[in-house]
Amino acid sequence: GAVVSQHPSWVICKSGTSVKIECRSLDFQATTMFWYRQFPKQSLMLMATSNEGSKATYEQGVEKDKFLINHASLTLSTLTVTSAHPEDSSFYICSALAGDYNEQFFGPGTRLTVL
Amino acid sequence: AQSVSQHNHHVILSEAASLELGCNYSYGGTVNLFWYVQYPGQHLQLLLKYFSGDPLVKGIKGFEAEFIKSKFSFNLRKPSVQWSDTAEYFCAVNGMDSNYQLIWGAGTKLIIKP
Repeated sequence: GAVVSQHPSWVICKSGTSVKIECRSLDFQATTMFWYRQFPKQSLMLMATSNEGSKATYEQGVEKDKFLINHASLTLSTLTVTSAHPEDSSFYICSALAGDYNEQFFGPGTRLTVL
Repeated sequence: AQSVSQHNHHVILSEAASLELGCNYSYGGTVNLFWYVQYPGQHLQLLLKYFSGDPLVKGIKGFEAEFIKSKFSFNLRKPSVQWSDTAEYFCAVNGMDSNYQLIWGAGTKLIIKP
């Protein structure tokens, strides 16, 4: 099956710094990738849809200037959390759309802790 | 409006009991249906999926689900659960009408007593 990787798997940073998370489709090309956030004991919350070569589409309530998304190639999308604060601490998960039926394949997630 | 409803938020069973987790959806147009599992401390894994064809779908680890179009349902079943099935289970749908964004159910926490 299709494989999606995320890097880093976990990161701890100081408040006010920026953190970049990479999402890669390893054995397929993905024109569309999705970024999710998962709070403890809750379901996934879609943050934005990332389209290769164009601006990302953000869900209501998600600050586009805080969560910068770049989908510069067919195998890589990045999420940059700018000026991170403790409330940004969460589990961030990406997925990539692939296959004839547009199935989403999920990355393993990135645990962000902001001190 | 597009939505997915999982009837049970928490389910507690003993080992060897049979399992059925309910999932109903509201979605216009052709749907793809999924069940994902998240084991404690781990990432999401696909259990099974339905795109077309035989409405009874078999997935990994002995799970199966049946798509009943007339009832807008996609219930997950397993004849005999094991302690290792303790996890959270998510039902999700997508399709062209949602630009293939997944519409998620709230999840069901399953606890299996040894």
